[in-house]
Amino acid sequence: DAKTTQPTSMDCAEGRAANLPCNHSTISGNEYVYWYRQIHSQGPQYIIHGLKNNETNEMASLIITEDRKSSTLILPHATLRDTAVYYCIVRSGGGSNYKLTFGKGTLLTVNP
Amino acid sequence: ETGVTQTPRHLVMGMTNKKSLKCEQHLGHNAMYWYKQSAKKPLELMFVYNFKEQTENNSVPSRFSPECPNSSHLFLHLHTLQPEDSALYLCASSLEGGASTETQYFGPGTRLLVL
Repeated sequence: DAKTTQPTSMDCAEGRAANLPCNHSTISGNEYVYWYRQIHSQGPQYIIHGLKNNETNEMASLIITEDRKSSTLILPHATLRDTAVYYCIVRSGGGSNYKLTFGKGTLLTVNP
Repeated sequence: ETGVTQTPRHLVMGMTNKKSLKCEQHLGHNAMYWYKQSAKKPLELMFVYNFKEQTENNSVPSRFSPECPNSSHLFLHLHTLQPEDSALYLCASSLEGGASTETQYFGPGTRLLVL
């Protein structure tokens, strides 16, 4: 699976949009971009995933560049409860096992 | 609430003890996973079960022994652990363990301290 690069930490004001970047320059054609987050001492929580097109759900939006070498997770109106470590993961499709390889992620701190 | 429960949530054990961690999923999934998360380190995949069969053992020491009696339950049996095994142990499940768009759902984890 392709490696990802994320900033170690970011801050965001409550009520503002949080934009979390991720670089995955070695991504290949069949690899998906997944985002999970982990609130302190809890299990990771699935947020969103995409292949080529931008995606949106009730939690967030995922913007993938046309060359697919980077993406941005957008939390439109960050709240204090969005403070967490956010993981960007690139995963290949198919195969007999489904592997998620977690990196160090980005610690997003939402400030009042 | 993700539909994946883990018990106990916290566990303290000595190096000579034997204990078991339990995971149960109420999602109708067929793949289950054990992960380990040590302090300041990324999550590490330990074991994968697909339809009750172990399909991945990520070079885990034999003092960790998984058991999957059915698709809804997963255990991790612990014996003669070391202090460096202290970590958050996370269970996850997914529908079938192979589809490219499959999502894993995680439990809250068991915080283990080995003295």
